[in-house]
Amino acid sequence: GAGVSQSPSNKVTEKGKDVELRCDPISGHTALYWYRQSLGQGLEFLIYFQGNSAPDKSGLPSDRFSAERTGGSVSTLTIQRTQQEDSAVYLCASSLLSGRRGTEAFFGQGTRLTVV
Amino acid sequence: DAKTTQPTSMDCAEGRAANLPCNHSTISGNEYVYWYRQIHSQGPQYIIHGLKNNETNEMASLIITEDRKSSTLILPHATLRDTAVYYCIVRGGGSQGNLIFGKGTKLSVKP
Repeated sequence: GAGVSQSPSNKVTEKGKDVELRCDPISGHTALYWYRQSLGQGLEFLIYFQGNSAPDKSGLPSDRFSAERTGGSVSTLTIQRTQQEDSAVYLCASSLLSGRRGTEAFFGQGTRLTVV
Repeated sequence: DAKTTQPTSMDCAEGRAANLPCNHSTISGNEYVYWYRQIHSQGPQYIIHGLKNNETNEMASLIITEDRKSSTLILPHATLRDTAVYYCIVRGGGSQGNLIFGKGTKLSVKP
């Protein structure tokens, strides 16, 4: 498909386990964003990858959270030693890097993470 | 932190125009104004963006004041399906292209 793809769509994990969430951006998009959204809340920024530059990790809530983007394409968000408060929908978006014109970001449908 | 201020909620009658305001008084010269919306249980959807000129597309119009410190998103004929949270975002270009969402405006379109 041509859109942003996230997998899995749903993940239930036990407290203390590690999880990996995957994001396949739109081909050719050099910017990639991760957000999380708890029930009834707004989008919380986590991390932003921008081409070959160092990612903006300022939104990661703790050192249990990390993300990488291999080859400038697929990204993986890893949460170690999951806690119940990590339960949320994790959203990924991608866009062309803005140049002289801004460009819109396209969002995936998210991964719903439930920590039990 | 988000660089924008929006009302928490607004109501609009079906078929009428919905005018959603946004303040972005600290916007800098190379930053764009973007609007997204999120319908319940879905990922955010791009609506429109602009730099300093007014913009219009098939979904909405964006009116940006001359000093660029505020803008208004206009949905010309709101429908029940336009009920959503609307986010106004200030975003730079190139390496400043991060997208930080604020709390948005919950628009309720009523029959």
